[in-house]
This record gives sequence, C-alpha cells and structure tokens, in this order.
Amino acid sequence: NAGVTQTPKFQVLKTGQSMTLQCAQDMNHNSMYWYRQDPGMGLRLIYYSASEGTTDKGEVPNGYNVSRLNKREFSLRLESAAPSQTSVYFCASSVDYRTEYNEQFFGPGTRLTVL
Amino acid sequence: KNEVEQSPQNLTAQEGEFITINCSYSVGISALHWLQQHPGGGIVSLFMLSSGKKKHGRLIATINIQEKHSSLHITASHPRDSAVYICAVRALGGADGLTFGKGTHLIIQP
Repeated sequence: NAGVTQTPKFQVLKTGQSMTLQCAQDMNHNSMYWYRQDPGMGLRLIYYSASEGTTDKGEVPNGYNVSRLNKREFSLRLESAAPSQTSVYFCASSVDYRTEYNEQFFGPGTRLTVL
Repeated sequence: KNEVEQSPQNLTAQEGEFITINCSYSVGISALHWLQQHPGGGIVSLFMLSSGKKKHGRLIATINIQEKHSSLHITASHPRDSAVYICAVRALGGADGLTFGKGTHLIIQP
C-alpha cells in the first residue's frame, strides 16, 4: 500500500498561472482533505470531502477549487496563482470525517512557490 | 473560536533526557491528536486519544479533559526523535475538522 500520494513534490509558478495538485489514497477511505502549512502557523484546512461526491470549504478556501474525482482521488486547483499561495500543501485521508474519533493519514506534501 | 496552544515552541535537549511537550486547547473536544513531522516534511500520526494515557515505545501521551490539557512525553530521547511535534484537536460536534497547534520544534543533540 502506498498510502496517500501527492504530485508534484515541488512546483514553481508565476503569478497568474494555474495548476492542479493531485492526491490519491489506496486505503479505501471515505474522507479526504487539503491543508496548507505556512511558517509560524498551524496546518489550515482549505477544503475537505467527507465522502465521494461531496466537497466543503474549510478555513481558507479563497483562491482554490477542488474536485473529488472518485473515492481515491481528490485534486486541488489554483486558477490564478498569487504569491500569498506560496506554501506547503498536504493532502490527507481518513476513514470517515463524520466519525469524531478518526485518524488522518497524510501525503508527503507539495512545496509550491509563486513568484 | 477553538485555539490550540503548544509549549515550548522550540526545545533543544541532550540525548537521554526526558522530554515533555504541552498542548492546551480552549473548547470541549472529542479527540486530540499528536503528530510528528520530520525534517523531510512528512507528517505521521503518533497518538489519538480522548481520555487517560497511551504509550507507544518511548512515547507517552496523556490528556486531562477537565483542564483542557495534553502532554507528550519522550523517555530516553534520541537524535532520531528530532522533529516537529504537532497537537491537533477536534471540537465536540466538530463540523470543521481538526484545529492544529503551531508545533514544537525538538532537537536532540548527541
């Protein structure tokens, strides 16, 4: 089992460019999440998908869109990148978001720089 | 608003020392998580607890629900324990998922 995989690992964009971060999990989890991690701040939730076919905004959704392509895959799209979106992005999954006691498994992260 | 505070922010210790990292939160919770982030960046779940105490090898996590406080202890610390340790909580009825602390950066010197 690969767990949670993310591509790419690194990306440099110019302001205004678009890109999609890919995430896949092979643990048959229902719920998936996108976080961003910035220096001096805790992980912050961008969007989550409680189950296939649903997506919801988290704490910092502005400037992002997501797609839950199927049960395995959850992508994050930046339509017009801005320097404020320079961050490390983590995808995570869990058995079921609605269960309060559920462990999250994280991908390796994508380090994105927007110039 | 749910807030999660960790202390200390940075900790440097000698190999073999007993380490304690603290986490305080402001609302009632259903679960508290301790995570480890290594210098390479990957994040691994260490513990998930809602009461009492859990132990894995040299790591011990405790929680006091009434005081809204948790501690992570490392016994016989080793340089490979050097990492960022992150506390996260899920609020009761938590529709917004986990709230994360900023992390404690631990360095264990040989």
